[in-house]
Amino acid sequence: QQQVKQSPQSLIVQKGGISIINCAYENTAFDYFPWYQQFPGKGPALLIAIRPDVSEKKEGRFTISFNKSAKQFSLHIMDSQPGDSATYFCAASRYNFNKFYFGSGTKLNVKP
Amino acid sequence: EAQVTQNPRYLITVTGKKLTVTCSQNMNHEYMSWYRQDPGLGLRQIYYSMNVEVTDKGDVPEGYKVSRKEKRNFPLILESPSPNQTSLYFCASSFFGAGDQETQYFGPGTRLLVL
Repeated sequence: QQQVKQSPQSLIVQKGGISIINCAYENTAFDYFPWYQQFPGKGPALLIAIRPDVSEKKEGRFTISFNKSAKQFSLHIMDSQPGDSATYFCAASRYNFNKFYFGSGTKLNVKP
Repeated sequence: EAQVTQNPRYLITVTGKKLTVTCSQNMNHEYMSWYRQDPGLGLRQIYYSMNVEVTDKGDVPEGYKVSRKEKRNFPLILESPSPNQTSLYFCASSFFGAGDQETQYFGPGTRLLVL
């Protein structure tokens, strides 16, 4: 049973557009929700993370929106650039950061 | 420079031949973890370690062993590899502090093929 469900599997966005990737979870004990960016041939890199005490967190062009009641969180990439083309993973973890559960990934392609 | 190193980067082996993938970090992080990445499944956690001599199972621990005798090293051991363990493996090292103080670094990956 997948603990974190991610959609869409792939996404094509024009340069300058907004990329939106969604994740949903079931376990209400999760309290840490990170997003990762992975380029081909590289390991994932932590991009941005949120805890459930806030509904939104922004870092540069990247924003996480968090809806606790719906058990959903999403990544928004504003002014998407070709250099943002990568695979993005959401994840969830419980307090004390023991087990991590990842979504299946979204391959983003930003067209010039 | 903050770094997580894994060795080997590529490995082809045969069923049943024990192997070890090493992982080392230079950031003095307490938390380390192993993941496997398979197409369409994302990353799945195999084992994690909260500190020296403290390890616990992740989501898919079957067929794997780990040890944490020193803070910087966290080797992954496959005692009797099978073809279903063919995958891309990542080691990660992390610091989780109060507030927004968290850092995570992943290694470059080890691609394993078990024949």
